[in-house]
Amino acid sequence: HLQLQESGPGLVKTSETLSLTCTVSGGSISSSDYFWVWIRQPPGKGLEWIGNVYYTGNTYYNPSLKGRVTISGDSSKNQFSLKLTSVTAADTAVYYCGRDTSLATTDSWGQGTLVTVSS
Amino acid sequence: QSALTQPASVSGSPGQSITISCSGTSSDVGGYDYVSWYQQHPGKAPKLMIYDVSTRPSGVSYRFSGSKSGNTASLTISGLQTEDEADYYCSSYRGSHTVIFGGGTKLTVL
Repeated sequence: HLQLQESGPGLVKTSETLSLTCTVSGGSISSSDYFWVWIRQPPGKGLEWIGNVYYTGNTYYNPSLKGRVTISGDSSKNQFSLKLTSVTAADTAVYYCGRDTSLATTDSWGQGTLVTVSS
Repeated sequence: QSALTQPASVSGSPGQSITISCSGTSSDVGGYDYVSWYQQHPGKAPKLMIYDVSTRPSGVSYRFSGSKSGNTASLTISGLQTEDEADYYCSSYRGSHTVIFGGGTKLTVL
């Protein structure tokens, strides 16, 4: 049974870098069958796709965040990570990691972690 | 990039059927058969209900169905049950390995 767990600081200062890690158990991020995705949800608002990473290391990002976001995978730890630079209050959100089985199809989700950006 | 357009809210009585629409463009919903629907209860992670426009994952009730016509996708829930009350989000592939979500619809079961 696949499980994903987000981890990282719950509070980040304005203009600094948000860093989160997703630990995968019950499956391998080295599988060619899946993409591994980050999605976020500001409090009381809708979902926003951030980007994903394939086992080859290829990454794809939301154009609205491009330039600030980096997603990477570490197969030795079976983890993938998100870095978002120059954060503002608008980046305050619950951040979810997940597994994509097809285009725009996230079939497994972590429980989510709230990251608050504040000065 | 603007989100796909969904009604903010819909409601129905137990046993009734409701439909939630998801409007996009020819660059996303209309251009690909990769539309998914997610159910999200308060404080919980979203759950995949429909993918590839109309395919139900294993374990999802037959009461949930999806369709698409032109640039608009739809989620229909038949035989409404109180546990169906939740937020629903559509998502679509929009080329170049990117995805766009809808703004979400709050379903109230009266």
